[in-house]
Amino acid sequence: AQSVAQPEDQVNVAEGNPLTVKCTYSVSGNPYLFWYVQYPNRGLQFLLKYITGDNLVKGSYGFEAEFNKSQTSFHLKKPSALVSDSALYFCAVRDGAGNKLTFGGGTRVLVKP
Amino acid sequence: EAGVAQSPRYKIIEKRQSVAFWCNPISGHATLYWYQQILGQGPKLLIQFQNNGVVDDSQLPKDRFSAERLKGVDSTLKIQPAKLEDSAVYLCASSSLQNTEAFFGQGTRLTVV
Repeated sequence: AQSVAQPEDQVNVAEGNPLTVKCTYSVSGNPYLFWYVQYPNRGLQFLLKYITGDNLVKGSYGFEAEFNKSQTSFHLKKPSALVSDSALYFCAVRDGAGNKLTFGGGTRVLVKP
Repeated sequence: EAGVAQSPRYKIIEKRQSVAFWCNPISGHATLYWYQQILGQGPKLLIQFQNNGVVDDSQLPKDRFSAERLKGVDSTLKIQPAKLEDSAVYLCASSSLQNTEAFFGQGTRLTVV
C-alpha cells in the first residue's frame, strides 16, 4: 500500500529565512508527487507536482520541491519565507497507474516576523 | 473556469440522523474524489470515481456511507446513520486525468452532536 510520511508536525521559521518541509513516500512503480497548502477554513490549494523529468520542480508563490528517488523524498522548499506562508502543508503521492491519491498527515508552518 | 462547488458549507446534525453532501466538479473532469479530513489530520480518501464508475472505495465505511455519481458529473455523499466520530470536513476534488493534480472544493464541515 502506498503511504506518505511528513515527519514534522510543525516547522517554525523566521521571515526571510529559508523554509523546508519534509516528505517521504512509499509507492509501487514510478511516483507522481504533489504538494498542497491549506489555509484556515479553506480547501486544499495545489502548489506543485513532479511527474517526470527534472528533479527540481518549481511551483506557485516561489515554492519549489526536489525529487530524490534514492531517498524516496520530495521536500518542499522556499528560499525566503513570508509571514503569509504560515499554513498547513500536505504532501501527496499517486502511483503511475493512476490509482488513489494518498496524503500525508500535514505539517504546520509558522513564519514569525 | 469555475472551481469545484460543494454544498452545504456547514452542517450540524444529531447522532443517528442522516446527512447528504453535494459536489459539482470542474467541467470536463472525469475523476472525482471524496475525502474525509478529521481535525489535525491529513485527508483520507473515501471514494474515487472515474466518470460514473468506482475506482477505489476501500476506505469507505459501507455500512453507513454511500456515494453516487449517476451521470458522471455531480456526486452526492450520504451518511446514514451518523456517528459522533463522523465529525470532520468532507472535501470533494476533481481532476482531468488520473495522473494530474486534483482541484479541491472548500469542503463541508460536519458536526455530529
